[in-house]
Amino acid sequence: DAGVIQSPRHEVTEMGQEVTLRCKPISGHDYLFWYRQTMMRGLELLIYFNNNVPIDDSGMPEDRFSAKMPNASFSTLKIQPSEPRDSAVYFCASSPQANYGYTFGSGTRLTVV
Amino acid sequence: EDKVVQSPLSLVVHEGDTVTLNCSYEVTNFRSLLWYKQEKKAPTFLFMLTSSGIEKKSGRLSSILDKKELFSILNITATQTGDSAVYLCAVGVTSGSRLTFGEGTQLTVNP
Repeated sequence: DAGVIQSPRHEVTEMGQEVTLRCKPISGHDYLFWYRQTMMRGLELLIYFNNNVPIDDSGMPEDRFSAKMPNASFSTLKIQPSEPRDSAVYFCASSPQANYGYTFGSGTRLTVV
Repeated sequence: EDKVVQSPLSLVVHEGDTVTLNCSYEVTNFRSLLWYKQEKKAPTFLFMLTSSGIEKKSGRLSSILDKKELFSILNITATQTGDSAVYLCAVGVTSGSRLTFGEGTQLTVNP
């Protein structure tokens, strides 16, 4: 099992550009989570899906952020337009059931200049 | 709002020391408490605790939960330099699958 796979590993972009982060969860895991980690705020849940359906998106900062899960093996987190304050490490995680230990991907380090 | 507080925020010890990390929480409809270890990259799962007073153990690491006093501790005995990491505590609730994370404890083990 390759674990949770995220791409890209690093992304540097200019303010105002669109950024798309990608995630492939572990096969058979019904839950997928997007987290953001910064020094100031730690790990924050942005959104999570159950069986490809968004369940809780209350952590999505604003309309510039959107997430999709078109099928069980793929999810995207999009930021449009990006801003310097979006700079963070974005983690995707998956879980086989509710309130089980997550498996995290390696993260995408996003820098917006 | 669910709240998870870890202490200390950072800790520096020497190899061989024993450390205790603390996690207290205030959540509605508690279900589970989880400990993660984060080195350079992604957090890796250590323990999940759901019942009070039952110690979970893995090698030199152990953890216990007190649901009456709303806290958990993570103990590491005979620390090694490889234990240096950020240790994260997270709490899950019965309504939904979100985990709320604490700020983490940065542990540094010096040789």
